[in-house]
Formats: sequence, structure tokens, C-alpha cells
Amino acid sequence: TQLLEQSPQFLSIQEGENLTVYCNSSSVFSSLQWYRQEPGEGPVLLVTVVTGGEVKKLKRLTFQFGDARKDSSLHITAAQPGDTGLYLCAGTTSGTYKYIFGTGTRLKVLA
Amino acid sequence: NAGVTQTPKFQVLKTGQSMTLQCAQDMNHNSMYWYRQDPGMGLRLIYYSASEGTTDKGEVPNGYNVSRLNKREFSLRLESAAPSQTSVYFCASSEFRGYTFGSGTRLTVV
Repeated sequence: TQLLEQSPQFLSIQEGENLTVYCNSSSVFSSLQWYRQEPGEGPVLLVTVVTGGEVKKLKRLTFQFGDARKDSSLHITAAQPGDTGLYLCAGTTSGTYKYIFGTGTRLKVLA
Repeated sequence: NAGVTQTPKFQVLKTGQSMTLQCAQDMNHNSMYWYRQDPGMGLRLIYYSASEGTTDKGEVPNGYNVSRLNKREFSLRLESAAPSQTSVYFCASSEFRGYTFGSGTRLTVV
């Protein structure tokens, strides 16, 4: 069974701070995605990365895919209360659209 | 707005009862999925349908059945509900750009 481990599990920070969350596996992924989920809602796709070493930026969010395509990170600059939520990574090894999800990082940004 | 619609939003069942969770998407996606989400366990794939007319088991299929009624609709059936099936259930669809999820069904089995 492929496992995607996310760290930290929980993170509580003050508004304006920077943070990084990690997604690690022993498997090589052909594609990896990051989602954000708010209470009572389904996850919403933030980004998809497919190339080892790829870096994508979405406003204050920076996503990096590891060179070996086994890990990924999400860095948030100057966090805001609106960034609060559950961040999930998901990967597929087979090039299909069947993704395995990590257990998530629950982020709380305090005003 | 275009997207994935799940019904019902909440449901309480007694052990042994049956029910069907409905899911419909209007994005003309080929692939559809059912996941369950439990605290500390993340999202686990129950069943998926790569295209109309096909269904396959995911990571945790026991106790569930699915039907891909047409390209738009993918239903999940619990034939005899058990307390271990208490969870939040998400339906999703995808094409090339990642999943679009519904807002979930919170199911409690007592």
C-alpha cells in the first residue's frame, strides 16, 4: 500500500508568519496534487505538479515537487486567517486518475 | 455553478439498514470516485469508475456497492449499514486537471 505522510499534523501560527508543510512517500509519483479543505466542504484543488524539481507559485503559496518525485512541500508566506484549513496532498503512481491521499495538515492562522 | 452534487447532506441510519448515496456531476468528466474521510485516516478510496460502464474497487470496498448509472451519475449503496461505516463520504469527478469534490454526506450509523 502506498503511503503519503504529511507533517506536521497540526500547525497553529500567528498572522504574518511563514510556514512549510511536507508530504513524503517511498513511492515515485507521476503526478502530485495539493488540496485545501474547509469545514463542512469537500477538498478544493490548489495545484498539480508533474515534473521532478518543479516549483509552482499561487499568490503567497509556493509548491515544490522533489527531484525524485517522492516528496513535495507547500510554503505559505505571510499567512492570513483565510489560509486556515486542512491541507491535503495526493499522488498517483500509475498515470491514471486514481489518487492516494495523505492524512493532511490542519492549519490554523490566528489574527 | 458547475460541479458535483451529493445527496443527502446528513443521514442517520440504524445498524442493518440500507441506503444509497447519490452523486451527479455536470462537467462531462469521464472518471468518478467515492471516498470516505475519517479523523486521522485521510481520504480513502472506496470505489471508482474510470468511464461510463466500468467500476473498480478501491482501498476499502467491503460493505459497499456502486452503480455508474450514466456519465453524470455515480451512486454508492450500503446494503447493511454497520457502525464502522460512520464517516463523511465524498464523491468526486475528474478529467485531466484534478478532482472536483462534492460537499460530502455525513453518515452516522447507530
